[in-house]
Amino acid sequence: AQSVSQHNHHVILSEAASLELGCNYSYGGTVNLFWYVQYPGQHLQLLLKYFSGDPLVKGIKGFEAEFIKSKFSFNLRKPSVQWSDTAEYFCAVNAPDSNYQLIWGAGTKLIIKP
Amino acid sequence: NAGVMQNPRHLVRRRGQEARLRCSPMKGHSHVYWYRQLPEEGLKFMVYLQKENIIDESGMPKERFSAEFPKEGPSILRIQQVVRGDSAAYFCASSPQGQANYGYTFGSGTRLTVV
Repeated sequence: AQSVSQHNHHVILSEAASLELGCNYSYGGTVNLFWYVQYPGQHLQLLLKYFSGDPLVKGIKGFEAEFIKSKFSFNLRKPSVQWSDTAEYFCAVNAPDSNYQLIWGAGTKLIIKP
Repeated sequence: NAGVMQNPRHLVRRRGQEARLRCSPMKGHSHVYWYRQLPEEGLKFMVYLQKENIIDESGMPKERFSAEFPKEGPSILRIQQVVRGDSAAYFCASSPQGQANYGYTFGSGTRLTVV
């Protein structure tokens, strides 16, 4: 069965530090990849997505992610985090042969110290 | 901002009671998806509905769980005779078409606690 792994469940950084959150998936076929974010008390929001083309994807709020097919990875990055980036981040990939069902990682809780 | 509205935000039920979770999709969206998140786990797909139709319920437990999306009114996820293992966050999402590629719009979730 397809799975998505997020390596760190909790990450604590200071403001202005660089961020990289890992995401690996197990499916070898064509994939669509997503990063969602949930700020405290709010709903899940789409940060960015990859379908095809340039493997470096830019999203909202200065985030980007790089799709590396050979590593089955889609890591999320931000060069300089802010306190307002404190949130939970979820990586997701479409289920095989489904254009609506997503398989999700367990999430990474990111805390930014002011 | 008429996003996806879920209510209640928090629900406490005793074992054996029924839980009803409501989801009003974003205006103009006719596709609704329910996901469940158990503690320390990722979201798990439960069911995909269009107005008056269940398209895919492959992620729903076979017993005690049901979902509907009537012609009028919100989508309802119903859990009968709740057990402690049903404690989780239940998220609803909607989309204008039946494709995740367009990006779901999520609600804030309902956190169900069974005591």
